[in-house]
Amino acid sequence: DAGVTQSPTHLIKTRGQQVTLRCSPKSGHDTVSWYQQALGQGPQFIFQYYEEEERQRGNFPDRFSGHQFPNYSSELNVNALLLGDSALYLCASSFTGDSPLHFGNGTRLTVT
Amino acid sequence: RKEVEQDPGPFNVPEGATVAFNCTYSNSASQSFFWYRQDCRKEPKLLMSVYSSGNEDGRFTAQLNRASQYISLLIRDSKLSDSATYLCVVNIDTGRRALTFGSGTRLQVQP
Repeated sequence: DAGVTQSPTHLIKTRGQQVTLRCSPKSGHDTVSWYQQALGQGPQFIFQYYEEEERQRGNFPDRFSGHQFPNYSSELNVNALLLGDSALYLCASSFTGDSPLHFGNGTRLTVT
Repeated sequence: RKEVEQDPGPFNVPEGATVAFNCTYSNSASQSFFWYRQDCRKEPKLLMSVYSSGNEDGRFTAQLNRASQYISLLIRDSKLSDSATYLCVVNIDTGRRALTFGSGTRLQVQP
């Protein structure tokens, strides 16, 4: 039973560029959430997708956008990258309702 | 004020010691509570949920005090493998998980 998978594992981008991160949820899960974790900090909630729509959003600018596909997989897009966007981006999936989150291994983004 | 506050540590304890972490949260509407464990450069993993009556899972005991808005985690008989960062997590919404994480408390268990 595959858990949450994320790609790529590592990514280096330049300021101003755009990036797309990908996530496949755990089998049987239909809800995908994205978190940003800066060094030495806890994960910060970006947004959550269910039924291909953004359902909740944290305190992140519009440069951060996402998408969920009919197979429940998801993408996180970040435009006009800033140095401060350098972080570990975590995808977490869950099943509708009150189920625990399962995290992927994350994508480590470095913006130079 | 941060929504979820934790002492960052590090807590350096010898094997076999008992160690306790506290966490405070600011939103009294918070509905559910968790402790996650995160190893260095790895993803967070659910350690245990925290219930109003308190709950225990082996060497780990979690407690919730809604009146004072704090959560605690007690680890008994610490093992070297317990070395990690422990994240206090709250969820305001009873629906899908938009969790609010604390910054974590680092534990180092020494031989």
